Amino acid sequence: AQKITQTQPGMFVQEKEAVTLDCTYDTSDPSYGLFWYKQPSSGEMIFLIYQGSYDQQNATEGRYSLNFQKARKSANLVISASQLGDSAMYFCAMREDNFNKFYFGSGTKLNVKP
Amino acid sequence: DARVTQTPRHKVTEMGQEVTMRCQPILGHNTVFWYRQTMMQGLELLAYFRNRAPLDDSGMPKDRFSAEMPDATLATLKIQPSEPRDSAVYFCASGFLTDSYTGELFFGEGSRLTVL
Repeated sequence: AQKITQTQPGMFVQEKEAVTLDCTYDTSDPSYGLFWYKQPSSGEMIFLIYQGSYDQQNATEGRYSLNFQKARKSANLVISASQLGDSAMYFCAMREDNFNKFYFGSGTKLNVKP
Repeated sequence: DARVTQTPRHKVTEMGQEVTMRCQPILGHNTVFWYRQTMMQGLELLAYFRNRAPLDDSGMPKDRFSAEMPDATLATLKIQPSEPRDSAVYFCASGFLTDSYTGELFFGEGSRLTVL
């Protein structure tokens, strides 16, 4: 079974609007961490935001927030007020604390339209 | 500004040649990962090390790939012999991870390998 599932291969959003990128995960480990990374066309991987499985509140970092729904095993990334520079691939990742592995989803390519 | 450094950034080689990719993790990080990224497979975990000890290399084709960490400042990924299907971007990432602390991974800029 896939550990991380990102069901949206590509998405479009109008500049200044909000967008939600979906991510679901599969684990039986009670302790885990969820991450989002951005990969622009230049290729580097940029860390955006982190959510721990025991965190009570949703993580936020500037225009990024993580909508964590533990019972549904989802960790969607919300980008508010999209900017042209947000156009990139976005990867959801999970670390299972028992196994110390990081699993990545297949990514979502976001295009922000002017 | 601490960063993960990978060399070479680009490598073009012919099938059958040996390829070695190097990674300098961020000082103080205890965990190093090697990933391979292709359009078809996305990001695949090849191997990772904790405190220089290999923890898992099950994602790596054992007959041709090998990963080592000869010291805390150097991780290597070697392919011998290389094949066209090995063409991909290889990322090294490091982080400080313990059983009770989950840190983010910091990625290098990747080594783009093309095997002709």
